Amino acid sequence: QKEVEQNSGPLSVPEGAIASLNCTYSDRGSQSFFWYRQYSGKSPELIMSIYSNGDKEDGRFTAQLNKASQYVSLLIRDSQPSDSATYLCAVSGNNRLAFGKGNQVVVIP
Amino acid sequence: SAVISQKPSRDICQRGTSLTIQCQVDSQVTMMFWYRQQPGQSLTLIATANQGSEATYESGFVIDKFPISRPNLTFSTLTVSNMSPEDSSIYLCSVVYRDSYEEQYFGPGTRLTVT
Repeated sequence: QKEVEQNSGPLSVPEGAIASLNCTYSDRGSQSFFWYRQYSGKSPELIMSIYSNGDKEDGRFTAQLNKASQYVSLLIRDSQPSDSATYLCAVSGNNRLAFGKGNQVVVIP
Repeated sequence: SAVISQKPSRDICQRGTSLTIQCQVDSQVTMMFWYRQQPGQSLTLIATANQGSEATYESGFVIDKFPISRPNLTFSTLTVSNMSPEDSSIYLCSVVYRDSYEEQYFGPGTRLTVT
């Protein structure tokens, strides 16, 4: 069983719509959860951190965490073409991060 | 925000040779890591660079192949030894700052091609 799973294929959303990304993890003891954005040819950029159950909002981004169900999600509201990127979910454990394989988001003008 | 730099940004190397990648941070950090990202893939942790002691390697990575140094709190090197085409990848360092809990911030990466 993979530690962090992001199963959705490429996600195409029209400009202005909401993009929704999901991530599940296997280590029930994980305490810290992160979303990174990676543009093609660039390194990952941290966009959200979440540590407790519930929602955390930062601008157009909302992270949602449910530890009982072992999933974390990212919502991108009012999607813009500049949001087109790969989004990586990362979960902490044993002093290191485990990354999902990422979800590509394409925002269509 | 603090700056993380990596040198070189890219290189093309012949098989059998070695390349040392440098990671420099402009402020003190608690932890430094080295990752590999192969084309179209996610990030794979190679090792945690420990200051003043041997690095902690992940399963599948060994010190003889990927020796790591971290002589102080702001600098680390990763050497890719005896390279083969399978080592062609992007190598990334990441850091955790003193006040950023477990948040990791990445350097710009080194794109390595082995011919």
